[in-house]
Amino acid sequence: AQSVTQLGSHVSVSEGALVLLRCNYSSSVPPYLFWYVQYPNQGLQLLLKYTSAATLVKGINGFEAEFKKSETSFHLTKPSAHMSDAAEYFCAVSADSGGSNYKLTFGKGTLLTVNP
Amino acid sequence: GAGVSQSPRYKVAKRGQDVALRCDPISGHVSLFWYQQALGQGPEFLTYFQNEAQLDKSGLPSDRFFAERPEGSVSTLKIQRTQQEDSAVYLCASSQTGSDGYTFGSGTRLTVV
Repeated sequence: AQSVTQLGSHVSVSEGALVLLRCNYSSSVPPYLFWYVQYPNQGLQLLLKYTSAATLVKGINGFEAEFKKSETSFHLTKPSAHMSDAAEYFCAVSADSGGSNYKLTFGKGTLLTVNP
Repeated sequence: GAGVSQSPRYKVAKRGQDVALRCDPISGHVSLFWYQQALGQGPEFLTYFQNEAQLDKSGLPSDRFFAERPEGSVSTLKIQRTQQEDSAVYLCASSQTGSDGYTFGSGTRLTVV
């Protein structure tokens, strides 16, 4: 079984400040890890993904995430927040357990607010 | 098309009514998925198709939920005798490989009154 925990359902930062959204996962096999962003009344957009290559993954819009196996973490960061980053962010895991690596398990999401 | 298209965007159904939600995936994408997103929650897996074959329906909450993809492209999620707990956003996604991250549609927001 696999699971995702996102610490903090709501994170608020000032424009220009560091963004750090936390994600810890549980998986019995090496995972694939994803971050998605969801703007109001829209579907999910893939920000970045880790699929067992480089542990530091760069995504769109200046976001990056680092896979740390020892900490079972995949935290999302951005050096300088922009107003347009305000959205809900979801961490997700898929793991090839019995051939079901297509199935994503999502965290509950973190709502990011950016203050001017 | 350029993206995953879902219709309708919003659906209000009276309790007990049947509904059908449509998903038009990216052309050529073999894999198609349905997820349910309750208010304030992350999406939860419902079902998976590879072409026209439904390979996994383990996430369907009850036998009132039925999904099909008869020609391996457009998919329909049908909910019979809707109940209030069915109120959610239903997201469709498609993928070339099934394990490399999906492209999601904008979803259908179903409200059962």
